[in-house]
Amino acid sequence: AQSVAQPEDQVNVAEGNPLTVKCTYSVSGNPYLFWYVQYPNRGLQFLLKYITGDNLVKGSYGFEAEFNKSQTSFHLKKPSALVSDSALYFCAVRVTNSNSGYALNFGKGTSLLVTP
Amino acid sequence: DGGITQSPKYLFRKEGQNVTLSCEQNLNHDAMYWYRQDPGQGLRLIYYSQIVNDFQKGDIAEGYSVSREKKESFPLTVTSAQKNPTAFYLCASDTGGRWSTDTQYFGPGTRLTVL
Repeated sequence: AQSVAQPEDQVNVAEGNPLTVKCTYSVSGNPYLFWYVQYPNRGLQFLLKYITGDNLVKGSYGFEAEFNKSQTSFHLKKPSALVSDSALYFCAVRVTNSNSGYALNFGKGTSLLVTP
Repeated sequence: DGGITQSPKYLFRKEGQNVTLSCEQNLNHDAMYWYRQDPGQGLRLIYYSQIVNDFQKGDIAEGYSVSREKKESFPLTVTSAQKNPTAFYLCASDTGGRWSTDTQYFGPGTRLTVL
């Protein structure tokens, strides 16, 4: 079964410092991996995705993610955090089995708090 | 939130009532999905539809029903059989397809509270 795990419920970082939000995956075959961000009482906004090719994926709002096949990880990164980056972040993997169509299987989410 | 609208934004239900959540998309997407979000549990799949007039149960379909009569619309009914319906409900869509690498887009969500 395709699944992702986000080992941290919350990440705290000071504004201007680099941030990392961790995600590991368990997938048979090639993974299709996604990162989304959610602000309070809003829907999910797409940040970036890894399908194939370059292991460093660049996305919206200055975020990037590094796909590491040997460590089965897909960590989200940003060189310099902003207070406005404070939100809930979800890692997801495309499911490709007959029980769930081609829906996304989400991690439990990581709350990012950036302090001034 | 793109081209997906959900209504209402907030919904209050008395116990024993059925309620219907609306989801409409203008992205010309074939596939539509309903997820439920609870604090600390991420998103869980309720139902999905790959094409008009066809839909399938997801991981937590009990107590819910859907229809897909039009490509643009995928309403979700929360029935009285759903034991704990208080949650945030998210509708999503994408182009579908077995090896779809396309992005899935989400609506703004409906927060349902049982009184």
